[in-house]
Amino acid sequence: QKEVEQDPGPLSVPEGAIVSLNCTYSNSAFQYFMWYRQYSRKGPELLMYTYSSGNKEDGRFTAQVDKSSKYISLFIRDSQPSDSATYLCAMSRGFSGGYNKLIFGAGTRLAVHP
Amino acid sequence: DAGVTQSPTHLIKTRGQQVTLRCSPISGHKSVSWYQQVLGQGPQFIFQYYEKEERGRGNFPDRFSARQFPNYSSELNVNALLLGDSALYLCASSLGQGIGEAFFGQGTRLTVV
Repeated sequence: QKEVEQDPGPLSVPEGAIVSLNCTYSNSAFQYFMWYRQYSRKGPELLMYTYSSGNKEDGRFTAQVDKSSKYISLFIRDSQPSDSATYLCAMSRGFSGGYNKLIFGAGTRLAVHP
Repeated sequence: DAGVTQSPTHLIKTRGQQVTLRCSPISGHKSVSWYQQVLGQGPQFIFQYYEKEERGRGNFPDRFSARQFPNYSSELNVNALLLGDSALYLCASSLGQGIGEAFFGQGTRLTVV
């Protein structure tokens, strides 16, 4: 079983829709949770960075973390064609053993059509 | 402000050859991590370097090595290349050794033929 599970999609939605992206994980030691956006053949771009449980909002993006369920979500409001990309969740135990390592999901491909 | 820069952008090598990939972190960032991303998968951790010392290593063979220079730039070396080493190699820059946002470069796409 992978430490982080993420549905690869593809997810296709019309412009203006609310998009929900999710990841589950098995390691209860994870404390830091991130969402990255990756366009084709580019490096991942950090969208959201959160610590422990709770919600965080930034513009059209909202990240939710539920540590009791080992479940994280990213919501995108008023989705735009420019949001079409692969979304990667990542998490970390923190400064464990003297270093910091991100564990990524496989990524969900999102297509927003006009 | 310049982000994380990686060079080269693309590279084609033959099996058995050696390759060196380079990374310059964001100014002021002292930690550099390397990740391998195979097509259709999320990035996999290879190394973290902080203050010129290796602080962590992922589950990769000894053919993979790296170093960090006094200016905090870093090189990733891969010896005896295999076809399976074909991937996007990503460098991540962060402020310190521990937790903090990690910012990625555009990656180096390595193709081994």
